[in-house]
Amino acid sequence: DIQMTQSPSSLSASVGDRVSITCRASHGIRNELDWHQQKPGKAPKRLIYAASSLQSGVPSRFSGSGFGTEFTLTISSLQPEDFATYYCLQHNSYPYTFGQGTKLEIK
Amino acid sequence: QMQLQESGPGLVKPSGTLSLTCVVFRGSISSNSWWSWVRQPPGKGLEWIGEIFHSGSTNYNPSLKSRVIMSLDKSKNQFSLTLTSVTAADTAVYYCARGIGDWGQGTLVTVSS
Repeated sequence: DIQMTQSPSSLSASVGDRVSITCRASHGIRNELDWHQQKPGKAPKRLIYAASSLQSGVPSRFSGSGFGTEFTLTISSLQPEDFATYYCLQHNSYPYTFGQGTKLEIK
Repeated sequence: QMQLQESGPGLVKPSGTLSLTCVVFRGSISSNSWWSWVRQPPGKGLEWIGEIFHSGSTNYNPSLKSRVIMSLDKSKNQFSLTLTSVTAADTAVYYCARGIGDWGQGTLVTVSS
């Protein structure tokens, strides 16, 4: 299985901050990586697909980058509604695997 | 916008069988898509269970493969998950999804006597 390692596991930040979350794959996965946001008690929501493509309707403050084994999700200016848990997902090889999650909290 | 809705028993006895259905609204299950199941134990991360294509082809997580069956019912525009020989470790919120892009709202299944 491809292991996906997210860092950090948790992050405290303030409204307006720029934050980045990293996801590392144990093997190369080209650009076959998505980022999902999950709020408490809710289903995940896909923000980014194919490593860097913004899902329709997602604010442009979210961006993704990377290829191969290292990927980054960046939020350019945090808004109150962005405080949530973020997961990366690789869909290059079976079984598909998620990162362990990054909990973004208000400082 | 496509919507997906899970349904099924919220409580299953140990060693029993978990059966869930996902109905697709504003879209066709016969479209060129993979239909997936993902689960999340309380307070933990996400685990991919498997997927089924509109043709009926399946891919399962090897960690669950011996206990999982997925199927389609095109007449009802829905797909299903069956998980046998459940234990407390199978207690989770179960989500259905299209291509892991469009998610259902999730349904909590508790395994307990």
